[in-house]
Formats: sequence, structure tokens, C-alpha cells
Amino acid sequence: DGGITQSPKYLFRKEGQNVTLSCEQNLNHDAMYWYRQDPGQGLRLIYYSQIVNDFQKGDIAEGYSVSREKKESFPLTVTSAQKNPTAFYLCASSMAGQGLWQPQHFGDGTRLSIL
Amino acid sequence: QKEVEQNSGPLSVPEGAIASLNCTYSDRGSQSFFWYRQYSGKSPELIMSIYSNGDKEDGRFTAQLNKASQYVSLLIRDSQPSDSATYLCAVNGGRGGNQFYFGTGTSLTVIP
Repeated sequence: DGGITQSPKYLFRKEGQNVTLSCEQNLNHDAMYWYRQDPGQGLRLIYYSQIVNDFQKGDIAEGYSVSREKKESFPLTVTSAQKNPTAFYLCASSMAGQGLWQPQHFGDGTRLSIL
Repeated sequence: QKEVEQNSGPLSVPEGAIASLNCTYSDRGSQSFFWYRQYSGKSPELIMSIYSNGDKEDGRFTAQLNKASQYVSLLIRDSQPSDSATYLCAVNGGRGGNQFYFGTGTSLTVIP
């Protein structure tokens, strides 16, 4: 079955620690995205990537880093510089269009908490 | 001004009624519009995509788009308790149109 796999489902971070969230897709989608969701605030874009080895900052990139070495993979690192990392993290992918964009499909998410 | 605005609700409707969810957006260049359903603690799942002005129907769901008014809506007919969820409106935008902007969602409760 094609889809997006995020791991782990739950993650706990100690103060001063960097943690990495995994996102893998087998949908052959070009574009991949990372969002953060806090209660009552909807989805906020952290980073996105349209092609391998290229990515762009979203609205709340500070304290986060990404890489896109393979089309299928777009890991997100939450660095120690992110002082309030507790949130629900969602990875999504979509097929790029010519003017019209295809919908994003989401993984099951990772819940990150501070120990 | 937020790129996408939705009434946060909560919206309550009795079972069998029509639920109407509304969304406005600010980027006149947006071309792609989506409705997602998100159950508590879960990730969003796509309900409808709409690209052209007018109505698009899929089962009990109808999406309506009016680009001149920068307005998109979702109607849910014969509402069921299983429709109780938060509904997110998403619109493409940004430079190149390759970002998706999400509203904060409307919480819907269908009362049996």
C-alpha cells in the first residue's frame, strides 16, 4: 500500500537534546512538507521541499532543520534551539502540478513532548 | 490578515441535518482548494478537492467555490455522528503557489 510513514509515533526530548523525526513516502510524490500543530492553531508550515537536495523555510523554521537526500525521505530535526517543541508534527507529500496543485496526503504524525 | 479563515465553531447539528462549513482566503492567485477532516488525535484526511468555480459533489459532501468572493464552503448532507470532527480548509499560495495554507478548522458535532 502506498502511503506516508512517520516514526516514531511518540517522542520525548530532554533539554538540550536534538531529536530527529522520520518521514518516508512511497507515493512517488515530488513535494514534501513538515507542519506543526498546536491546539487551536491549525497547521503551521515548518519546511517544505519540491525536489531532492532543495528545501525552503516555512513560517516557523527557527529551531528546526531538514534534509532531502532522497525523493522518498524528508527527516526533520528538532534542535535544542527550539525552546517550545511540544506539539503534534505532521509530514505530508503531494504531486506538483502545472498551476494546479494536487492535494497533500498526511502521515499519522509524531507527538513530541519535553521530559 | 490570515491567509485562510474559518469559523472555529463549535458547530452542532442534529443527525440527518445539513452541516455548512465556510472558509475565506486572501490570496487571489490561489488555484487549488481542499477540505480535510481531522478526528481528535489523528492526522487530517482529504475529503474534497475543488479547482473551478461552482459546486462539486461527492456522496454526501458538496464543495462550493467562488473565486470572485474568495470563498469556499463544504456542505455535509444527512449528517451522521461519525462526521463529528474538525474540518480544515486548505488553499495553495505563496510564491509559485507551492505552499498550502490551512485554516484553524471548524469543530463539528453531530447530535444523535
